[in-house]
Amino acid sequence: SQTIHQWPATLVQPVGSPLSLECTVEGTSNPNLYWYRQAAGRGLQLLFYSVGIGQISSEVPQNLSASRPQDRQFILSSKKLLLSDSGFYLCAWSAQDRVGSPLHFGNGTRLTVT
Amino acid sequence: SQQGEEDPQALSIQEGENATMNCSYKTSINNLQWYRQNSGRGLVHLILIRSNEREKHSGRLRVTLDTSKKSSSLLITASRAADTASYFCATKILWVNNDMRFGAGTRLTVKP
Repeated sequence: SQTIHQWPATLVQPVGSPLSLECTVEGTSNPNLYWYRQAAGRGLQLLFYSVGIGQISSEVPQNLSASRPQDRQFILSSKKLLLSDSGFYLCAWSAQDRVGSPLHFGNGTRLTVT
Repeated sequence: SQQGEEDPQALSIQEGENATMNCSYKTSINNLQWYRQNSGRGLVHLILIRSNEREKHSGRLRVTLDTSKKSSSLLITASRAADTASYFCATKILWVNNDMRFGAGTRLTVKP
């Protein structure tokens, strides 16, 4: 069966510090990978998605970046965090098809920038 | 940008009652999906309805889709306290690959 791992679960970082959140998927190959951010009590904002190694699409201009160094690994990074980067970050995967298969989410990372 | 908008934003009912949540969207879609999120956790996929379907059932869940009105509803019958969670609709936009757009969600509270 497929599983998705996301870590860390919680993170407190000072403004201006770097960020690296990692997500890995097991049990499937060539998945679509996604990073979403959720503000408190709000919906999900799509940040990045990837259809393959090295292929990243960005939805919003910001100081965050994403990379996919391996087929089942997706990394969210920042060189210098802003207060506004605080939120709940969710990684997800879906199977590659034309119809729009369901998303499978990790348990998220609660990021607090102080 | 968000695509779907859920209504109401919050819903509080007694155990055993039915809960109905609505979702409206703006552009043509390939399919619409409903997800559930327990507090502080990731989202869990509940049900998918394709644009050429009008109704779908899964256990105590019933989803309808009206593409002419660009709206969908999720009905949870005989609700339980364990159904307490936030519910989101997400749309797969037609002709846009690998892009699911989520609404802001409905916060459902089921009182025992």
